[in-house]
Amino acid sequence: GAVVSQHPSRVICKSGTSVKIECRSLDFQATTMFWYRQFPKQSLMLMATSNEGSKATYEQGVEKDKFLINHASLTLSTLTVTSAHPEDSSFYICSARVRGEEQYFGPGTRLTVT
Amino acid sequence: GENVEQHPSTLSVQEGDSAVIKCTYSDSASNYFPWYKQELGKRPQLIIDIRSNVGEKKDQRIAVTLNKTAKHFSLHITETQPEDSAVYFCAARGQAGTALIFGKGTTLSVSS
Repeated sequence: GAVVSQHPSRVICKSGTSVKIECRSLDFQATTMFWYRQFPKQSLMLMATSNEGSKATYEQGVEKDKFLINHASLTLSTLTVTSAHPEDSSFYICSARVRGEEQYFGPGTRLTVT
Repeated sequence: GENVEQHPSTLSVQEGDSAVIKCTYSDSASNYFPWYKQELGKRPQLIIDIRSNVGEKKDQRIAVTLNKTAKHFSLHITETQPEDSAVYFCAARGQAGTALIFGKGTTLSVSS
């Protein structure tokens, strides 16, 4: 099956700094990747849709200047959390759809902002 | 856009009993409905899915039913085991190419 990786798996940063999370499709090309955020004991909330070679589409309420998404190649999408604050602490999960309907998920990145 | 409601939020059953989780969706154009199992700190794992041209699908102890007219779908787990304990999410996809939208999740606890 399709494999999606994320790096790092865990990151701790100080308030005000920026953090970059990478999402890679290892054995397929992903023209579209999705970024979700999951707070403790809550559901996966779609943040944005990342399209290779074009600007990301953000969901309502998600600040595009705070959560910078870049999808520069068919195998890599990055999410940069700029000027992170403690309320940005969350589990960030990327996913990609190959052919058909199934959506494959990365292992997630646990972000803690102190 | 799509909105998915999921019930119940928590479900406790005895080992061997059946468990049923129900979801409703809002977008009549939605045509793909997967169910995921998520363990703490892990990625969601697809356990079964159904497409809008099918009313029911079964895989061993797990089954999913879909009622397009009523816009709801359900997950059925029979002969539950302690290892079935996890958080289960339903999801729906509207237009082709769009992302999955998730329900709020159900925490299933199976006691032996």
